[in-house]
Amino acid sequence: IAGITQAPTSQILAAGRRMTLRCTQDMRHNAMYWYRQDLGLGLRLIHYSNTAGTTGKGEVPDGYSVSRANTDDFPLTLASAVPSQTSVYFCASSPAATYNEQFFGPGTRLTVL
Amino acid sequence: GENVEQHPSTLSVQEGDSAVIKCTYSDSASNYFPWYKQELGKRPQLIIDIRSNVGEKKDQRIAVTLNKTAKHFSLHITETQPEDSAVYFCAPRDNYGQNFVFGPGTRLSVLP
Repeated sequence: IAGITQAPTSQILAAGRRMTLRCTQDMRHNAMYWYRQDLGLGLRLIHYSNTAGTTGKGEVPDGYSVSRANTDDFPLTLASAVPSQTSVYFCASSPAATYNEQFFGPGTRLTVL
Repeated sequence: GENVEQHPSTLSVQEGDSAVIKCTYSDSASNYFPWYKQELGKRPQLIIDIRSNVGEKKDQRIAVTLNKTAKHFSLHITETQPEDSAVYFCAPRDNYGQNFVFGPGTRLSVLP
């Protein structure tokens, strides 16, 4: 692995189903983030983690949960998907939470029907 | 929380002309000011950033200027090329890493 990866690339999901989006980085970055990007709009922060073992809520956290059991992985879970969660989801990481560039993953396109 | 605006929301320029995009923010604690470029269907990528103790930074055809007093910073692209066509986002951040908001984006089109 080189950089930051996300899985799956795309997914169609029935409303009410549970879904976990995976994010893995091999750069030993301390900070990781999840954003959603709706069509034609900017990036909105869902959750973040400044270091392994800690997480925080972003601008739009409702309906989503995260965990950060180790440095490399930062999964995002939709407990019961709803159509308004249809979006492109980007995971990002940075060496530290401050003063640092964020490196983005390739994104996951999620459609909830 | 931080309120971030970008102007203009769309910008069309002729190839070779200059483009300027302005980002205004509300949190006076912001001290890191990056610009990201997102090409169609791709992930955002950092193109230039500036810290609060610097007024201007330049990297080839791209520059960023900062006015902390007025709480705005601008992206300048000179000698624009078709490959500069993309959406550009500013994302001011504070020193604690908990307050960072991406602007709504500016769609730049460089016409050949």
